[in-house]
Parts: sequence; structure tokens; C-alpha cells
Amino acid sequence: DAGVIQSPRHEVTEMGQEVTLRCKPISGHDYLFWYRQTMMRGLELLIYFNNNVPIDDSGMPEDRFSAKMPNASFSTLKIQPSEPRDSAVYFCASRTGYGPGELFFGEGSRLTVL
Amino acid sequence: QQPVQSPQAVILREGEDAVINCSSSKALYSVHWYRQKHGEAPVFLMILLKGGEQKGHDKISASFNEKKQQSSLYLTASQLSYSGTYFCGTEAGGYQKVTFGTGTKLQVIP
Repeated sequence: DAGVIQSPRHEVTEMGQEVTLRCKPISGHDYLFWYRQTMMRGLELLIYFNNNVPIDDSGMPEDRFSAKMPNASFSTLKIQPSEPRDSAVYFCASRTGYGPGELFFGEGSRLTVL
Repeated sequence: QQPVQSPQAVILREGEDAVINCSSSKALYSVHWYRQKHGEAPVFLMILLKGGEQKGHDKISASFNEKKQQSSLYLTASQLSYSGTYFCGTEAGGYQKVTFGTGTKLQVIP
């Protein structure tokens, strides 16, 4: 089975540009999480969805960040406008809805904002 | 709120043991442990549920003391392949979101 798929793997953009990161969770997984990883702050939870509905977006840094999950097989994380401090690796992860269980991470999207 | 991990970094020689600690200010339902190699995604090691559970995975084991809201990861007879950053992830208030600590960088040298 395919794992969690993220795209793009690498993105270099200039400050002020819009960035869209994409994620396809594992089929049948009810939960989807977006994390941001930096050296200083480790793995930060940005937002998570259950059955395509956003449950907790308290980790989203500011209004420049938005996330959607239009269906069970696709989610996007958008940054508009991007800033250099947004440079990080963004991970998407999914899990089943049956009790506690492991998170399956995608390979991550490395974002560099110049 | 992120759980707190200690130490932040540790260097071991092959065959030595290490303990990584994770503590939270919240009542926990579960604790996850993951290992991340440089440039790769975190990989699941184990999950511990409330109830004072202990688990083992080869020579890596962990304990969970729910009263103290703490978990510890034990690596015995370390191997070069154990090198990486270890993250604990905690679930509070039900089995939903997993919040990670800042990680412990472990390096095993020959």
C-alpha cells in the first residue's frame, strides 16, 4: 500500500509568494495532521482534521496560513503571503480513527522562502 | 503545550545504554515514541497507554508513569543504527491530536 504522499518535496520561493503544499493520506485513515519542523521548535502541530473536518487549528501561526481537506484523499496547506520565517519542513501524517495508534508520516515538504 | 524532553542531545559509544525522558504538564492518555533519521520522516517505535505500561521493541523499551505524566525510553546495548533524533508525542484529553516534544538527538559512535 502507498504511504502518505506529499508534494512538492522541495519548494524554493520568494517572500510574498503564495505556497501550496499537498498531502494524500493513507486510504481509510480518518485523521490527518499537518506538522511544521524547525531546529528551534521541533515538530509543531499546526492543524488536524477528522473525517475532513478541521478539529483544532490552534497551532496555525497566523492568518497567512490556511488548510483545507475537501475530501478524504486530499488536503492542502497554503501560506499566503510567504515570509522567510516560514522556511521549514512541513509534514503531513495520517492515522486511523480506531483508538490510539501510530501516525504515518509523509516524506515532508522542505520549504525555503528567500 | 509541548512535552519536555531531556536530554537534548547525547553521544554514546556502541554497546552503551541511554535513557530519554519525556514529561508533560497535562494528564496523558498515551505516549508515542518516534525516531527520525536526518532528512527522513519520523518513524513510529511504540505507543504506551495509560495504566503504567511498559513495552519493548528489540533492545529499545519504554515505560509510562501516568501519575507523574512521564515516560522514559530505554536504549540498551546501542548500535550505530540507533543514531537519530527521538521524539515523544503525547495525547491528552482523549486519543486525538499528538503533540511532540523538541526531540533528543542521539549519536552512536564506534
